[in-house]
Amino acid sequence: GNSVTQMQGQVTLSEEEFLFINCTYSTTGYPTLFWYVQYPGEGPQLLLKVTTANNKGSSRGFEATYDKGTTSFHLQKASVQESDSAVYYCVLGETNTNKVVFGTGTRLQVLP
Amino acid sequence: EAAVTQSPRNKVAVTGGKVTLSCNQTNNHNNMYWYRQDTGHGLRLIHYSYGAGSTEKGDIPDGYKASRPSQENFSLILELATPSQTSVYFCASGVRDRGDQAPLFGEGTRLSVL
Repeated sequence: GNSVTQMQGQVTLSEEEFLFINCTYSTTGYPTLFWYVQYPGEGPQLLLKVTTANNKGSSRGFEATYDKGTTSFHLQKASVQESDSAVYYCVLGETNTNKVVFGTGTRLQVLP
Repeated sequence: EAAVTQSPRNKVAVTGGKVTLSCNQTNNHNNMYWYRQDTGHGLRLIHYSYGAGSTEKGDIPDGYKASRPSQENFSLILELATPSQTSVYFCASGVRDRGDQAPLFGEGTRLSVL
């Protein structure tokens, strides 16, 4: 079945530093890759979507790209702010299926 | 505005008791999902549904039942709650057969089983 591996459990940065979070995935189909963000006390919400057609997505200063050759996708931001502190999930979906698969999450702490 | 509403937001239950978590969506989505969230595990799928009257087992269904009486409502039922079911539970809705469309999540229910 489909699977997602998110190795970085915790990332701590100072404001204005560069963020990079990586995930790898496994699927036999045509994946759509999402990044969700979850703030304390809230449910996960969609941050970005990347399809095999466009290879990239961007939102709120975040960028996501995927590499089919290495079956990996990553999230980056050039300059983080304290308000970016949250948990970030990489998520794998697939057309014509009814389940999406979540990674284990990366907790980002941005220090002022 | 698209929305997924969960109730209650917080629940304390006793071991062996029955617990029902409710979810309502106004997105006209066919699919609805129940996940639990635990440190180190991310979100794990418990049950899901394709529409009114249908329920399907997810990845960790043991100890849980689900009910979908209508398009809008999806409940998660713990017949005999145990402390290991202490967790945060999230409901989501999505478009049927469109795993390329991101599900929408509710705010979560924090359940403590004592």
